[in-house]
Amino acid sequence: KQEVTQIPAALSVPEGENLVLNCSFTDSAIYNLQWFRQDPGKGLTSLLLIQSSQREQTSGRLNASLDKSSGRSTLYIAASQPGDSATYLCAVRAGNMLTFGGGTRLMVKP
Amino acid sequence: NAGVTQTPKFQVLKTGQSMTLQCAQDMNHNSMYWYRQDPGMGLRLIYYSASEGTTDKGEVPNGYNVSRLNKREFSLRLESAAPSQTSVYFCASSPQGLAGVEQFFGPGTRLTVL
Repeated sequence: KQEVTQIPAALSVPEGENLVLNCSFTDSAIYNLQWFRQDPGKGLTSLLLIQSSQREQTSGRLNASLDKSSGRSTLYIAASQPGDSATYLCAVRAGNMLTFGGGTRLMVKP
Repeated sequence: NAGVTQTPKFQVLKTGQSMTLQCAQDMNHNSMYWYRQDPGMGLRLIYYSASEGTTDKGEVPNGYNVSRLNKREFSLRLESAAPSQTSVYFCASSPQGLAGVEQFFGPGTRLTVL
C-alpha cells in the first residue's frame, strides 16, 4: 500500500526566506506526483504536476523536483511572501488512485 | 466556467439520518472522485468513477454509496450517518482516469454528524 509522508508538519518562516517542503512515498511505481495548496476552509488548488519521467517542474517562484527511485519530492519556494501561507499537500498517482500526504502547514510572517 | 461545484457547503446531521452530497463539473471530464479530509490527515479516496456508468471503491468506502448520474454529476450518499463520518468532503474530476493528468477539486462540503 502506498504511503505518503510530508515533513515538516508545520513550518514558520520570516518573509523573504527560501524554503523547502519535503514529500516521501513508499512505492516508486507512480505515474506522477502533484503538489497542491489549500487555504483554510477552502478546496485544493493544483500548483505543479510532475510526470514520472520528469525530474522537475517550475512555475514562478515554485520549483518541484522528483526523485522516483528514492521516493522523494521537494517543493522549493523562493523569496516567500505572507500570501504563501497555506497548507501544502503532495499526492502521488498510481492507476486511478491518488494518495495524499498529511500536508505541511506553512506560515510566512511579515 | 465554474469548474467543480459541490452542494451543500455545510451540513449538520443527527446520527442515523441520511443525505446526499452533490457534485457537478463543467469541464467535460470523464473521471470523478470523492475524498474525505480529516484534521491532520491528507485526503482519502472514498469512491471514484473512471467513466460514465462505472464506479469503484477507494480506500475508505464503508458507509457510503455513489451514483454517476451522467457525465457531469457524481453524488455521494450517506444512508445512515455516524459521528465517524464527520469530515470535509471533496469532489474532484480529471479528463480521464489514466496517468499523466491532474485532478481538479471542488470547494468541499463540511459535514458534522451529532
